Amino acid sequence: DAMVIQNPRYQVTQFGKPVTLSCSQTLNHNVMYWYQQKSSQAPKLLFHYYDKDFNNEADTPDNFQSRRPNTSFCFLDIRSPGLGDAAMYLCATSPRVASAGNEQFFGPGTRLTVL
Amino acid sequence: DQQVKQNSPSLSVQEGRISILNCDYTNSMFDYFLWYKKYPAEGPTFLISISSIKDKNEDGRFTVFLNKSAKHLSLHIVPSQPGDSAVYFCAATLTGANNLFFGTGTRLTVIP
Repeated sequence: DAMVIQNPRYQVTQFGKPVTLSCSQTLNHNVMYWYQQKSSQAPKLLFHYYDKDFNNEADTPDNFQSRRPNTSFCFLDIRSPGLGDAAMYLCATSPRVASAGNEQFFGPGTRLTVL
Repeated sequence: DQQVKQNSPSLSVQEGRISILNCDYTNSMFDYFLWYKKYPAEGPTFLISISSIKDKNEDGRFTVFLNKSAKHLSLHIVPSQPGDSAVYFCAATLTGANNLFFGTGTRLTVIP
């Protein structure tokens, strides 16, 4: 089955220790997104890749970076995690950038805990 | 500023009855609306959508209604089943935008 896979599902890191979250997709979609979702809040877009084109949301902290080495994989790097970065991180894909009729397909998420 | 709002954090409904989940938005430029369903430990999955040129879209037990003048949409589930118990997210976007703007979700519990 075509899908979006996120590893690990649960990640524990220490305050200030860099961490990388991974996302892969078998859908061959052009666009990959990273969302942050804190408890009882709406998912919030951090950035997205359209092919190799990186697009950062204006309010995404510099602490968050991303890499997309190929179509299938996308990584979220948090350079110095703070306690406020504890959240669920959702990866999503879509065939093209958002337009009418273009829904996004989500992975199961990685829950990040910062100690 | 939250552009998509789901003011009911939770809803309980008896099996077989209708579930109505509501969503309000503030940006009149939104032209496409989606509902996602999320089970625990899984990512959101697409459920149903509606374009702003329509006021209703139906897919089996699920119907979405859009009232553009009120900037309001609702998801109706008839009849509700225990397997429908999940968190439902409303999302909106506009043509050419990269972002889906999500609400905070409504947890639906269908009681057998």
